[in-house]
Amino acid sequence: AQTVTQSQPEMSVQEAETVTLSCTYDTSESDYYLFWYKQPPSRQMILVIRQEAYKQQNATENRFSVNFQKAAKSFSLKISDSQLGDAAMYFCAYRSPIYNQGGKLIFGQGTELSVKP
Amino acid sequence: DTEVTQTPKHLVMGMTNKKSLKCEQHMGHRAMYWYKQKAKKPPELMFVYSYEKLSINESVPSRFSPECPNSSLLNLHLHALQPEDSALYLCASTLTESSYNEQFFGPGTRLTVL
Repeated sequence: AQTVTQSQPEMSVQEAETVTLSCTYDTSESDYYLFWYKQPPSRQMILVIRQEAYKQQNATENRFSVNFQKAAKSFSLKISDSQLGDAAMYFCAYRSPIYNQGGKLIFGQGTELSVKP
Repeated sequence: DTEVTQTPKHLVMGMTNKKSLKCEQHMGHRAMYWYKQKAKKPPELMFVYSYEKLSINESVPSRFSPECPNSSLLNLHLHALQPEDSALYLCASTLTESSYNEQFFGPGTRLTVL
């Protein structure tokens, strides 16, 4: 079974600095998808960034980028120029192809990021 | 409209009550999901509906009963719940069950069972 591990329950970053959140996963599949979701306090979960396993190029979305290391099964999220609004719980998620487990999202335990002014 | 709405925002119920949670989206999505989330924990999948048919039931107790009346609506009927069922219940939708499609989440219903 696939598992997702986020080894940092809490992280803190100074405003305008850069922070990296770690995520590792375990799978025997070669085709899958990886996501980072953000859940601010008392607000809804939104997608930050996604990566297809077959793509070697790391995904980027403005200040957010990933370091995808397929062989190491690692998928870290880098947030540059951190802003107060980045404070949230961040979940790493793995998704199998639809033919396996119906494409279920498997979440890591989350990393709570605080941003200091 | 890129929004998933959920009502009510908060719900307090006794163990003998019957209540329903409602989820709605108007993005033309054909897959809809119910998750249960405890504080500072990841969401746990409960049910998946695909094209208005139940696709996945994650061995959820029968006191939770999902219903998908049409492609825009998803309900979760609650009956004889236990205090440990208190949690945030999230609804999500996606274009189809295809793995690449982003899941859009609603704000959730915070349920307290007394």
